[in-house]
Amino acid sequence: GAVVSQHPSWVICKSGTSVKIECRSLDFQATTMFWYRQFPKQSLMLMATSNEGSKATYEQGVEKDKFLINHASLTLSTLTVTSAHPEDSSFYICSARLRRPVWADTQYFGPGTRLTVL
Amino acid sequence: RKEVEQDPGPFNVPEGATVAFNCTYSNSASQSFFWYRQDCRKEPKLLMSVYSSGNEDGRFTAQLNRASQYISLLIRDSKLSDSATYLCVVNLPYNNNDMRFGAGTRLTVKP
Repeated sequence: GAVVSQHPSWVICKSGTSVKIECRSLDFQATTMFWYRQFPKQSLMLMATSNEGSKATYEQGVEKDKFLINHASLTLSTLTVTSAHPEDSSFYICSARLRRPVWADTQYFGPGTRLTVL
Repeated sequence: RKEVEQDPGPFNVPEGATVAFNCTYSNSASQSFFWYRQDCRKEPKLLMSVYSSGNEDGRFTAQLNRASQYISLLIRDSKLSDSATYLCVVNLPYNNNDMRFGAGTRLTVKP
């Protein structure tokens, strides 16, 4: 159980284009999903927290107009990188939270999306 | 002080060795603690949760010291397949219970 999928697994795009990444919880409902970014040899950096039916909460320094997040249902969240630049090239990973109870909640990660912007 | 700090590593150990990783966290109200494992170019995978009384799963033992705000992971009888980056994860009770990841400790087990 607790499987999270991401699509696409990798994408190459030209500068200035927009890229949409989907994150799905396959066998559970996730009221909260998280989007992370990881540069080579660095740790995961939380970009934003996405709650179903409400606006995402962005971490300091993350441009909400550039990284659009939509959490339309309890099993799907999308991240759209708008007007992509080469410095946006990174490994984007989503996770979904399974809460049972709150103090023991666990995050399950999608397989990640490797974005390369030319 | 960073929210979660780990040994920088890297740790290079021979097969069969015992290796320990340490992690400190800054928020005394944190209640959830985890160790994740991340292989190169893959997503993190939950290795084990860390409970107050300490817990063991096969060759892996996790300890929590609330007074010192310290978490540890001990790996006994290291295998080549244990080579990975180990991430310490702590919840932030004041921020929607979000999780914060340590920078990770790289372990390489050599034959």
